[in-house]
Amino acid sequence: DTEVTQTPKHLVMGMTNKKSLKCEQHMGHRAMYWYKQKAKKPPELMFVYSYEKLSINESVPSRFSPECPNSSLLNLHLHALQPEDSALYLCASSQVFTQNIQYFGAGTRLSVL
Amino acid sequence: GQQVMQIPQYQHVQEGEDFTTYCNSSTTLSNIQWYKQRPGGHPVFLIQLVKSGEVKKQKRLTFQFGEAKKNSSLHITATQTTDVGTYFCAVRVRTSYDKVIFGPGTSLSVIP
Repeated sequence: DTEVTQTPKHLVMGMTNKKSLKCEQHMGHRAMYWYKQKAKKPPELMFVYSYEKLSINESVPSRFSPECPNSSLLNLHLHALQPEDSALYLCASSQVFTQNIQYFGAGTRLSVL
Repeated sequence: GQQVMQIPQYQHVQEGEDFTTYCNSSTTLSNIQWYKQRPGGHPVFLIQLVKSGEVKKQKRLTFQFGEAKKNSSLHITATQTTDVGTYFCAVRVRTSYDKVIFGPGTSLSVIP
């Protein structure tokens, strides 16, 4: 099973809303990632968790708050987003952080109104 | 800092024609990965190359790692409409920490 599951698939939110994106994998991977992808651009790394600890925060604004409750789950909490935050948010996992091969979820397509 | 470039940015081919995309790094790489993202989809891992001069084949796809480990290519023979999508190379870079970055991608359109 090489599946990474993301929910919801689509999300529309206002600038004052609070919402969460969820990601789950059951491959036993110990590294999990959040990426942001704008149209016609490559995925941009936001956060990396390694063994449930935040290893990398790519200077992401505090209105994005990641959480890793356990080795299988990764959340991204959203609050007071801006319209320019509208994008495809991708979750990925790899065996460990030094393993370059990443498995991506289908993503959450977010629209901020 | 380290840069990763891909050319071309876009390629339109007639079905049955060949296609090649190139990934170039400003520094020597330990390895390189290739991903494919279909329109409306998510990146899917295709292959990892590790050794200098390595060539790997997957059906109609041929992947090559340069001798100097600074560049790589992906060649598709006799394209089909199922090949449509954006092909990204991905490399590990070291800034204040290690991380994987994706090249800008090559978008392939196949005209039936």
